[in-house]
Amino acid sequence: DAMVIQNPRYQVTQFGKPVTLSCSQTLNHNVMYWYQQKSSQAPKLLFHYYDKDFNNEADTPDNFQSRRPNTSFCFLDIRSPGLGDAAMYLCATSRDPGASEQYFGPGTRLTVT
Amino acid sequence: QQPVQSPQAVILREGEDAVINCSSSKALYSVHWYRQKHGEAPVFLMILLKGGEQKGHEKISASFNEKKQQSSLYLTASQLSYSGTYFCGTEKAGAQKLVFGQGTRLTINP
Repeated sequence: DAMVIQNPRYQVTQFGKPVTLSCSQTLNHNVMYWYQQKSSQAPKLLFHYYDKDFNNEADTPDNFQSRRPNTSFCFLDIRSPGLGDAAMYLCATSRDPGASEQYFGPGTRLTVT
Repeated sequence: QQPVQSPQAVILREGEDAVINCSSSKALYSVHWYRQKHGEAPVFLMILLKGGEQKGHEKISASFNEKKQQSSLYLTASQLSYSGTYFCGTEKAGAQKLVFGQGTRLTINP
């Protein structure tokens, strides 16, 4: 089945130690999104790629970076995680930006110790 | 700007109906509805585009009032499987991205 895969599902890192989360998709969608979701809150868009075009949200901290080496893969790099970065990180894809259904991966739960 | 959902939480008995509302202060191009169960990813329910259309999906339907920038999600004869948190995601014209509301937690009891 076509799907969105996130690895790892659970990640524990130390304060200040860089961490990379990965997302892959078999849907061949043009757009890939990264959301941060904290407990009992809405998903918050960090950035998205439309093909190779990177779109950063104005309020996304510089500590967060992303790479999309090809259509199928997208990475979220957190350069120096703080305690406030502990959250569920959701990757989503859509065929087109905007008014197009988004398919979410299962998420990576990040714990910062 | 984040859309506002109401109510924040609803508790129903199986078979009862529910309405969840989503309001925005911005002119909208589309409204999306997603359901998220605890510990799982959000799952797409439907999209409504400007034009005031209404859509249906089994016993779940939604409407979009373009003039009021409001959308409502209707769940009729609710089933236990409908439990979860419902999020609306709104897209402003030209934005090509969603901003999600704070969510409405729906609990269905037998």
